[in-house]
Amino acid sequence: AAGVIQSPRHLIKEKRETATLKCYPIPRHDTVYWYQQGPGQDPQFLISFYEKMQSDKGSIPDRFSAQQFSDYHSELNMSSLELGDSALYFCASSYTHGYTFGSGTRLTVV
Amino acid sequence: GQQVMQIPQYQHVQEGEDFTTYCNSSTTLSNIQWYKQRPGGHPVFLIQLVKSGEVKKQKRLTFQFGEAKKNSSLHITATQTTDVGTYFCAGRGSNYKLTFGKGTLLTVNP
Repeated sequence: AAGVIQSPRHLIKEKRETATLKCYPIPRHDTVYWYQQGPGQDPQFLISFYEKMQSDKGSIPDRFSAQQFSDYHSELNMSSLELGDSALYFCASSYTHGYTFGSGTRLTVV
Repeated sequence: GQQVMQIPQYQHVQEGEDFTTYCNSSTTLSNIQWYKQRPGGHPVFLIQLVKSGEVKKQKRLTFQFGEAKKNSSLHITATQTTDVGTYFCAGRGSNYKLTFGKGTLLTVNP
């Protein structure tokens, strides 16, 4: 069965650089979510999209933005990266019940 | 805002022992979901509970949703080494926002 695809799996950036993370949700799932998970932490909700429109916003810094495109894939854009942005970034999609998470992008800011 | 407390934070058991993790919400939930995250992996959806007092079983796992729909528990009978991981509850409030608990890290000694 198709899963949520995220790319890249790993990303190393320097401080003040920008990063773009991509997510391809499960076909026919109408909602996409972005989460940030620090080491030993629970996933923190960043932002979500329902049918390509932003539906909810969590603790997403102003330096981050996201969008969902006509083909339903989503991108999380992160600018002016800081050391504290180092984390696992998960995308998840859902239709009715639980969320299906992608394998995540591990971002390391050096 | 909505808060979901989960205890214990860590639990170490001998293989064959039982394990329980508890979740408590500050507000009444429309549903609660449970996820398992293996070390280095991504959260995997286990189950969703919707009805007051609901009890669901998946093999050795028993999930309960409290009568007031503010608390939930996950009980694992006769743990195995494959049960190792972090178990998260996630509660959905009336605003449809899904809030994760901090998770319980389960380790099993063979």
